[in-house]
Amino acid sequence: TQLLEQSPQFLSIQEGENLTVYCNSSSVFSSLQWYRQEPGEGPVLLVTVVTGGEVKKLKRLTFQFGDARKDSSLHITAAQPGDTGLYLCAAWPYNTDKLIFGTGTRLQVFP
Amino acid sequence: NAGVTQTPKFRILKIGQSMTLQCAQDMNHNYMYWYRQDPGMGLKLIYYSVGAGITDKGEVPNGYNVSRSTTEDFPLRLELAAPSQTSVYFCASSGQGRTEAFFGQGTRLTVV
Repeated sequence: TQLLEQSPQFLSIQEGENLTVYCNSSSVFSSLQWYRQEPGEGPVLLVTVVTGGEVKKLKRLTFQFGDARKDSSLHITAAQPGDTGLYLCAAWPYNTDKLIFGTGTRLQVFP
Repeated sequence: NAGVTQTPKFRILKIGQSMTLQCAQDMNHNYMYWYRQDPGMGLKLIYYSVGAGITDKGEVPNGYNVSRSTTEDFPLRLELAAPSQTSVYFCASSGQGRTEAFFGQGTRLTVV
């Protein structure tokens, strides 16, 4: 059973388009993280969201934590080829020291 | 500023062979993790550790073993390698606040 489900699994878009990636769970988390991974590299942290309903912006990327702290979204405005990569959500479930990752969303942005 | 260092970067094993993937971090982090990543997929947790001498199973521990004798090192042992263990393996560490996980560059393992 996958604790963190991401959708869509794949996304192929043209430069300039907007997109949203979702991370859903039936569990509640104290915080949730988003990472980006480029080919041949390990994941790198983009943001951590902590408070239910929280919205964080990182240039053209907007992250939101659901009010119930069970889900999160990542919205990219005017995507660029440099945004291409694998986007992963991750969280530490309550009462555990395991860091669990989502199923991943592979984004390809064409010029 | 080394961070998390994994060795080797690539390895080809024959079925039934054994090997140890090395992971070292220089950030004095308590938490360390081993993940495997199959092509185009997310990360599956194999084993993790909350400090020297303490390890526990993750989601997919079968076929692997770990030890944590020091804070810095967290080696992953594969016994009797199988083709299903062909994957990219990532080691990660996190500090006490668990605000961010730092990853190594990965070990690409092929079992033939």
